Amino acid sequence: DAEITQSPRHKITETGRQVTLACHQTWNHNNMFWYRQDLGHGLRLIHYSYGVQDTNKGEVSDGYSVSRSNTEDLPLTLESAASSQTSVYFCASSESRGGASTDTQYFGPGTRLTVL
Amino acid sequence: AQTVTQSQPEMSVQEAETVTLSCTYDTSESDYYLFWYKQPPSRQMILVIRQEAYKQQNATENRFSVNFQKAAKSFSLKISDSQLGDAAMYFCAYRSVVGNTPLVFGKGTRLSVIA
Repeated sequence: DAEITQSPRHKITETGRQVTLACHQTWNHNNMFWYRQDLGHGLRLIHYSYGVQDTNKGEVSDGYSVSRSNTEDLPLTLESAASSQTSVYFCASSESRGGASTDTQYFGPGTRLTVL
Repeated sequence: AQTVTQSQPEMSVQEAETVTLSCTYDTSESDYYLFWYKQPPSRQMILVIRQEAYKQQNATENRFSVNFQKAAKSFSLKISDSQLGDAAMYFCAYRSVVGNTPLVFGKGTRLSVIA
């Protein structure tokens, strides 16, 4: 069955370190998204991509970067981790039809990141 | 920009009873999608129900139904015959049909089910 996976599921790192969170989907979806979830804020969009070589900034993109070299993967990199980036991170994907994103997003299981 | 508001941070319901979760949104668009997602303790986000704004009929999925009031910009979720497995965070979300835009989420409502 098609799925979307994230790794690692849990990560502890130190301030200033570079961290990369992996997201892999086998749906063959063009659209992929990264969110962070924090108490009192719900899900906030970090970056998103509508296809290979396409990336866009979301609401809270500062301190994060993504690259899309193939359809299946959208890794999220924290260039220099900060304590404010301690959060739960979700990756999601959705299908494109006729150049527009369809309405349903499928989510990965999440990665809990702690920055000490 | 569109916004989604869930005014109830926490709700509780007795098992087998009915509960309604509120959601309001702000938009100047006439066509859009609305969703309810469920996030159980496992943290996986699961789509519960979706509504297309151009459809007047309220969406229904088994025990889950919505009350979509377009003029009032209200989109509430009703859960009938509540079960222990319904305990979760519930997120309301909006997506425009204009262009290729991401979802906008509310802050969520935590639902507890009391046995």
